[in-house]
Amino acid sequence: NAGVTQTPKFRVLKTGQSMTLLCAQDMNHEYMYWYRQDPGMGLRLIHYSVGEGTTAKGEVPDGYNVSRLKKQNFLLGLESAAPSQTSVYFCASSHGQGLATQYFGPGTRLLVL
Amino acid sequence: ILNVEQSPQSLHVQEGDSTNFTCSFPSSNFYALHWYRWETAKSPEALFVMTLNGDEKKKGRISATLNTKEGYSYLYIKGSQPEDSATYLCAPWPGGGADGLTFGKGTHLIIQP
Repeated sequence: NAGVTQTPKFRVLKTGQSMTLLCAQDMNHEYMYWYRQDPGMGLRLIHYSVGEGTTAKGEVPDGYNVSRLKKQNFLLGLESAAPSQTSVYFCASSHGQGLATQYFGPGTRLLVL
Repeated sequence: ILNVEQSPQSLHVQEGDSTNFTCSFPSSNFYALHWYRWETAKSPEALFVMTLNGDEKKKGRISATLNTKEGYSYLYIKGSQPEDSATYLCAPWPGGGADGLTFGKGTHLIIQP
């Protein structure tokens, strides 16, 4: 089992460019999450999904879009990257909601110039 | 968005000493509390999920207690070792279909040999 994987590991973008971050899990989990981690801010929830074909906004959704076309994948898109989106992005998955343990991917470091 | 406070923000402890730190959360809006351990350059890993007032969980030299009436949890590490150096995150969940977990900013623990 690979658990939760994220692609790419690191990316540099110019302001205004777009990109998609891919999260994949092989644990057959229903729930998937995207967080961003910034110094002094902790982990903040961007978007999440409670099952294939569903998505919902978290705490800091602006500037991001997501899609969950397949149960095992959760994509995070930046349509027009801004320097404020420089961050480390973590994907997580769980088999249930708040009582269930979340399993995290290794993170994607994004730098927007 | 829940108000989650962790203290202290950082802590230096001598190897072999025991230590503890605090997570505070709204007692009026509580269903479960998660503790995660986050080593540098790795992903957060789950330690405990706690739900009941007075609950105590233990994993090796690490233990946690929960007071839901006053809204706090303590994490204890007995006989600290260098491998305990990490950031410890807590995340309460209020239940009722709430969005994901709200993570505290963490306590950064450094064990000095």
